Amino acid sequence: KNQVEQSPQSLIILEGKNCTLQCNYTVSPFSNLRWYKQDTGRGPVSLTIMTFSENTKSNGRYTATLDADTKQSSLHITASQLSDSASYICVVSGSTNAGKSTFGDGTTLTVKP
Amino acid sequence: DGGITQSPKYLFRKEGQNVTLSCEQNLNHDAMYWYRQDPGQGLRLIYYSQIVNDFQKGDIAEGYSVSREKKESFPLTVTSAQKNPTAFYLCASSISAIANTEAFFGQGTRLTVV
Repeated sequence: KNQVEQSPQSLIILEGKNCTLQCNYTVSPFSNLRWYKQDTGRGPVSLTIMTFSENTKSNGRYTATLDADTKQSSLHITASQLSDSASYICVVSGSTNAGKSTFGDGTTLTVKP
Repeated sequence: DGGITQSPKYLFRKEGQNVTLSCEQNLNHDAMYWYRQDPGQGLRLIYYSQIVNDFQKGDIAEGYSVSREKKESFPLTVTSAQKNPTAFYLCASSISAIANTEAFFGQGTRLTVV
């Protein structure tokens, strides 16, 4: 069964600090992995999308890494801001199951002043 | 502005009633999706459509119905058969479902049974 596990479930950090969120998956064969940011009560917004051949991708202060061999990804947030407080969702798509991606439960990040 | 629009933002339903959630996109995307999100849980796929006049059941389709008569529209009906409909519903679209490309989400509809 395809699964996506995210850790930690929740995280509290001080403004200006860095943090790293983890995503482990069992989806196979692999097509791509996406990270989304979801503000409370809003729809998710895409941060990065990575395919098998990509090890790292950045979007401003967000940097995602992918290790397709160990089936792990991380999202690193640099110099956190209050507006980074949100849920971060890892989504993995397989190459044989069109239309069906596997979503993680998300990590809830709270940035405090 | 290009994007995906869901309406209404909040919806209240009495038990036993059917309600329809609207989803419209002007991104010229072929694929559209409906997800349900419950507190502390990941998104679960209800239905998806890869092309006009075609749709497939997702993981939790029971109690829901959809139609795809136009490329830009993918309404979701929550029927009285859905026993626990209170949730946050998200619609998404992507260029193609087969290519598993990036999905763009609407802002969601929060449905509450009263």
